[in-house]
Amino acid sequence: QQQVKQSPQSLIVQKGGISIINCAYENTAFDYFPWYQQFPGKGPALLIAIRPDVSEKKEGRFTISFNKSAKQFSLHIMDSQPGDSATYFCAAKAAGNKLTFGGGTRVLVKP
Amino acid sequence: KAGVTQTPRYLIKTRGQQVTLSCSPISGHRSVSWYQQTPGQGLQFLFEYFSETQRNKGNFPGRFSGRQFSNSRSEMNVSTLELGDSALYLCASSLDSVQETQYFGPGTRLLVL
Repeated sequence: QQQVKQSPQSLIVQKGGISIINCAYENTAFDYFPWYQQFPGKGPALLIAIRPDVSEKKEGRFTISFNKSAKQFSLHIMDSQPGDSATYFCAAKAAGNKLTFGGGTRVLVKP
Repeated sequence: KAGVTQTPRYLIKTRGQQVTLSCSPISGHRSVSWYQQTPGQGLQFLFEYFSETQRNKGNFPGRFSGRQFSNSRSEMNVSTLELGDSALYLCASSLDSVQETQYFGPGTRLLVL
């Protein structure tokens, strides 16, 4: 059962543009929602995370928007740069340390 | 602080063999989780260890097992390897079983022939 659905699978954005990745979850027990960035040959690195009592969190060019009633959350990458080209994963966690990941979005930023 | 280290980085095995992968968490971290990453199934949780005890387990067959030592280092073992076990195996560590932030290592790339 895929508990976290992520879209789109891939996207291409021009340098300076906005990248938007969406995730939806089913399990209402989830209480922590991180986003990870992964470059080829590397492990995922934590970008930003949010808890459901907050509707938006911003760190630099990265913003998470969270809609608890719709069970959806999204990542916005502002002023996208070629160095942002990577695969992005949303994830969700209930009690304990088990992360449930979305399917991933491959982002390509064209110069 | 050194990050999460995993050894070996690459491994080639044949069907039916077994393999042991190692993970050293960030110093002071007591929770170690293992994940399997494949193009088809994505990132899937295998199990988590905290203070030498398995705290969570994913939906993988019993061929996949793990353990954690008193220094928090962890190993995972896969017995009777199948072609479908070819994957990137990732280890993640966190301070404890409640603290949310998990830090991933670079992974071990396993190829089963």
